[in-house]
Amino acid sequence: EIVMTQSPATLSVSPGERATLSCRASQSVTNDLAWYQQKPGQPPSLLISGASTRAAGIPARFSGSGSGTEFTLTISSLQSEDFAVYYCQQYNNWPLTFGQGTRVEVK
Amino acid sequence: QVLLQESGPGLVQPSGTLSLTCAVSGVSIGGNSWWSWVRQPPGKGLEWIGEIFYSGQVSHTGSTNYQPYLKSRITISVDKSKNQFSLKLTSVTAADTAVYYCARETIIRRGWPSWFDPWGLGTLVTVSS
Repeated sequence: EIVMTQSPATLSVSPGERATLSCRASQSVTNDLAWYQQKPGQPPSLLISGASTRAAGIPARFSGSGSGTEFTLTISSLQSEDFAVYYCQQYNNWPLTFGQGTRVEVK
Repeated sequence: QVLLQESGPGLVQPSGTLSLTCAVSGVSIGGNSWWSWVRQPPGKGLEWIGEIFYSGQVSHTGSTNYQPYLKSRITISVDKSKNQFSLKLTSVTAADTAVYYCARETIIRRGWPSWFDPWGLGTLVTVSS
């Protein structure tokens, strides 16, 4: 099983600031990595697939980078609606696995 | 627009069977997608538990992949006439209490999994007597 590790567990950021979230895979997943945003009481929603391709309708302030085992999600200027939990997920092999999540909270 | 909606009992007795259905609208369940179940225990993270691919051909009942430690307890099946797929999880315990989501994986490369999009709203299943 490929273990996905996200850091930090909680990120405190002021509105308008940049947020950088990390995701590490226990073995290479090439670029088979997705990022999701989850708000309380809602299902996760896809932000990025292929490590760096934004899903339809996702603002340009969200960007993904990385390949192999190290990945980053960057939110360039945090808006009020961006405070949420973010998960990475690998789809390079079964079983499909998620990171434990990073909570982005208001500083 | 592809929409998924979960349904099923919200309360299951310990040692009983959890049964959920995911109704799919906006696309045929037979075709270029894996159909998955993902669960989330209260206050915790996401766990993929299994998926099914249905080709749409009459003779095909579906190909499945399951979370390895659940293989002895889980069954995912397709009902093509109703354009829906189902989850059965037997011998449940309190550890199976979670919000259960169904989700679509659009197949990008044949024989490989993909990302989840869209997701259903989820349904909370509590295992308790």
